[in-house]
Amino acid sequence: EVQLVESGGGLVQPGGSLRLSCEPSGFTFTTYSMNWVRQAPGKGLEWVAYISSSSATIKYADSVKGRFTISRDNAKKSLYLQMNSLRAEDTAVYYCVRAVRIGGIWPYFDYWGQGALVTVSS
Amino acid sequence: QSALTQPASVSGSPGQSITISCTGTSSDVGSYNYVSWYQQHPGKAPKLMIYEVSNRPSGVSNRFSGSKSGNTASLTISGLQAEDEADYYCSSYTTSNTWVFGGGTKLTAL
Repeated sequence: EVQLVESGGGLVQPGGSLRLSCEPSGFTFTTYSMNWVRQAPGKGLEWVAYISSSSATIKYADSVKGRFTISRDNAKKSLYLQMNSLRAEDTAVYYCVRAVRIGGIWPYFDYWGQGALVTVSS
Repeated sequence: QSALTQPASVSGSPGQSITISCTGTSSDVGSYNYVSWYQQHPGKAPKLMIYEVSNRPSGVSNRFSGSKSGNTASLTISGLQAEDEADYYCSSYTTSNTWVFGGGTKLTAL
C-alpha cells in the first residue's frame, strides 16, 4: 500500500523558516517524481514544487520561487521542502504528492499524504 | 498561471446527475489531454477520481466520468449518492511544464 507521511509542520513567525519532510512507503521512491501541493485554510489547492526522480529537474510556483527549496534523498527515501522567508499567506496544509508518468512528463497526481499544517503568524 | 475556473457550488438530489465544469486556456486544458479530477472530503486528503480527461483509476465508481471540449473539461457524476458530497478540483498540466488547479466546487447532495 502506497503511503506518504509528512512531518515538520508547526507555528512559525513571519520571516522564519521551516523544513517539511515526507516519508514514502509501499513503492519504489527512486523511480517517481514528487511534488508539494498546498491548501490554505478554506481555500483551494495550489501546486508548489516538483522534483524529478534524480533531482535533475526542479520547478516552483511563482509564489514560492526564491524562498522555497524542494529536495530529496533517495538513499534515505525522503522528500523535503525547505521554506524560508515565510509569509502569512504561506499558511496552509502542505501535501506530499506522487506524480504519474506518461511518456516524458508527469502530468497528474495519484497518491497524496495526509498533509502537514504550517501556520505563519506572530 | 491563473487558476482554472470552476463553479463554486453545485447541488443535486440523490439519483440525479450533475456536471462540474472546469475552464482553462489554450495554455493548459486546451493544449493537452492531461486534465485530472480530485475529490476531497472535509479534513481529508484529495483523492484522484479521473485522469487524462476521462480515465478512472481502479476502484473509482463508474458513476464518475469526464470529458473535454476545447478549453473546458467536465466531470459528471451520475446516480448521485450522499457519499459523493465533497469538494471537487480539476487540474491540468500546462505548456509551461507546471500544474494548475481549479478553485474547487462544493457538491451538495440535497
